[in-house]
Amino acid sequence: DIQMTQSPSILAASVGDRVTITCRASQSISSWLAWYQQKPGKAPELLIYKASILQSGVPSRFSGSGSGTEFTLTITSLQLEDFATYYCQQYDNNRTFGQGTKVEIK
Amino acid sequence: QMQLQESGPGLVKPSGTLAVTCAVSSDVVSDRYWWSWVRQAPGKGLEWIGEIQYSGVRTNYNPSLKSRASISLDKSDNKFSLRLTSVTAADTAVYYCTRAKFPAPFDLWGQGTLLSVSS
Repeated sequence: DIQMTQSPSILAASVGDRVTITCRASQSISSWLAWYQQKPGKAPELLIYKASILQSGVPSRFSGSGSGTEFTLTITSLQLEDFATYYCQQYDNNRTFGQGTKVEIK
Repeated sequence: QMQLQESGPGLVKPSGTLAVTCAVSSDVVSDRYWWSWVRQAPGKGLEWIGEIQYSGVRTNYNPSLKSRASISLDKSDNKFSLRLTSVTAADTAVYYCTRAKFPAPFDLWGQGTLLSVSS
């Protein structure tokens, strides 16, 4: 199984902050990585796929980078609607989610 | 636009079988998608359960659930289903159906249905 580890688990930030979340895979997954945003009571929504490609309709303040085993999600200038939980997911071999990073208001 | 809608019994008894169905809103369940189930226990993260190919023949499962999970596809009725046997309280979760091309992430999700395991 491929394990995905996100850090941090909780991130306290303010509106306007630059935020970075890290995701590590237990083995190389090339660029087969996605990022999702989930708000309470809602299904996850796809933000980024293939490590760095922005899903249609997603604001450009979201960006992704990385390959192999190390990946990052960056949100420049955090907005109020961005306070949510973020998950990485590999789809190289079956599918595995990271444990999630909750971005909360400082 | 295609939509996914889960349905299930809401409550299942311990040691019983959980069954949940996902209705696909258009006649494209056989399009070249892989149809998956993902669950989320209360206050916890997302867990992929398994997937079935558009042909209805090939399936892949999370190794931790493989012995208890079974996913099937009904092309004539535009739906796919999950059965999970020998359930315990640890199987209480919101169950989501979702789709993906291969290799690709999940780009469309249902709203989720809560299934509780309790006597």
